[in-house]
Amino acid sequence: DAKTTQPPSMDCAEGRAANLPCNHSTISGNEYVYWYRQIHSQGPQYIIHGLKNNETNEMASLIITEDRKSSTLILPHATLRDTAVYYCIVRRDSGGYQKVTFGTGTKLQVIP
Amino acid sequence: GAVVSQHPSWVICKSGTSVKIECRSLDFQATTMFWYRQFPKQSLMLMATSNEGSKATYEQGVEKDKFLINHASLTLSTLTVTSAHPEDSSFYICSARDSLAGTQPYNEQFFGPGTRLTVL
Repeated sequence: DAKTTQPPSMDCAEGRAANLPCNHSTISGNEYVYWYRQIHSQGPQYIIHGLKNNETNEMASLIITEDRKSSTLILPHATLRDTAVYYCIVRRDSGGYQKVTFGTGTKLQVIP
Repeated sequence: GAVVSQHPSWVICKSGTSVKIECRSLDFQATTMFWYRQFPKQSLMLMATSNEGSKATYEQGVEKDKFLINHASLTLSTLTVTSAHPEDSSFYICSARDSLAGTQPYNEQFFGPGTRLTVL
């Protein structure tokens, strides 16, 4: 699976949009971009994933560049409960059977 | 979404004892479950893939005789840390996928809440 690069930490004001970047310059054509988050002392939570089109769900939006070498996770109105470590992962399978390899992630701190 | 539970949520044990951690899929069947370990301020590291009715697949560097995995039913996988030592103290997390689902986006792996093991 392709390797990803994320900033180690970011701050965001409560109520503002949080934009978390991820570089995956070696991504292959059949690899998906996944985002998870882990709130302190809890298990990871799936947020969103996509292949090449932008995706949106009730939690977030995922913007993937046209060359697919980078993506941005957008939390439109960050709340204090969004404080967590956010992991960007690329992998081939979208069915959930493949193992998830976590990098170091971005620690997002939402500030009141 | 689907719910995965772990029991216990935390455990403290003496060095040399064995500890069993359970991972259950509460409202779905899972032929495959994954076990992760997370040390403080570090990312999750996959330990092994648990397969129902067959042997687990361990990642490189993980001792299969020390971390025993049993996946005897479609809703339960157990991880037993044998002869635990202080360096085994960690946060252990499992994940599972609904085996009867297809490959739609909502059929993602779901993670348990984790078990914090402290070995004295």
